[in-house]
Amino acid sequence: GEDVEQSLFLSVREGDSSVINCTYTDSSSTYLYWYKQEPGAGLQLLTYIFSNMDMKQDQRLTVLLNKKDKHLSLRIADTQTGDSAIYFCAETAPGGKLIFGQGTELSVKP
Amino acid sequence: SAVISQKPSRDICQRGTSLTIQCQVDSQVTMMFWYRQQPGQSLTLIATANQGSEATYESGFVIDKFPISRPNLTFSTLTVSNMSPEDSSIYLCSVEPPGLYNEQFFGPGTRLTVL
Repeated sequence: GEDVEQSLFLSVREGDSSVINCTYTDSSSTYLYWYKQEPGAGLQLLTYIFSNMDMKQDQRLTVLLNKKDKHLSLRIADTQTGDSAIYFCAETAPGGKLIFGQGTELSVKP
Repeated sequence: SAVISQKPSRDICQRGTSLTIQCQVDSQVTMMFWYRQQPGQSLTLIATANQGSEATYESGFVIDKFPISRPNLTFSTLTVSNMSPEDSSIYLCSVEPPGLYNEQFFGPGTRLTVL
């Protein structure tokens, strides 16, 4: 069945790069997503990658996809305190629904 | 993108009562989804609500507990019926706007606490 796994916590220092990892199981997923959830807020779509791509870059964000290993990562360059949030990866499933990972809580220390 | 609003933003309810959550979108969308996020957990899809058809529920969710209405292409409601403390969660609606294939946007969520 469908399953998405993430590590639960990541702590970095301001200015460093953050790398958040995710593994998924459904090889037929056409898109993979990264969402950001700040405390008390809804989900913000950060970026997504089509399954036939290896990499996508959008300003400070770089998404890497290893389809063979079903591994997705989100790299945030020059991490700022405002990047502190929970980051969810998600894969598409039939019917348009999204299957979410547990979320990685990113803590950025000054 | 799409601008999505939900009402109420939060509520505290008594066991055994029901709460109806509204989701309003600023554009017409075909597909609308309702998710639940239990405390400290990830999001789980409750049901898919397409206008003009019955909602499709995921395993573990039933219409009697979570009835959904979808009267038009910009609005939907989710009712949490006969609530218990286990229903305390954030409930979020999401939409896939036309022309933004596979980009799914979320409302701000409704934070429900059941006493």
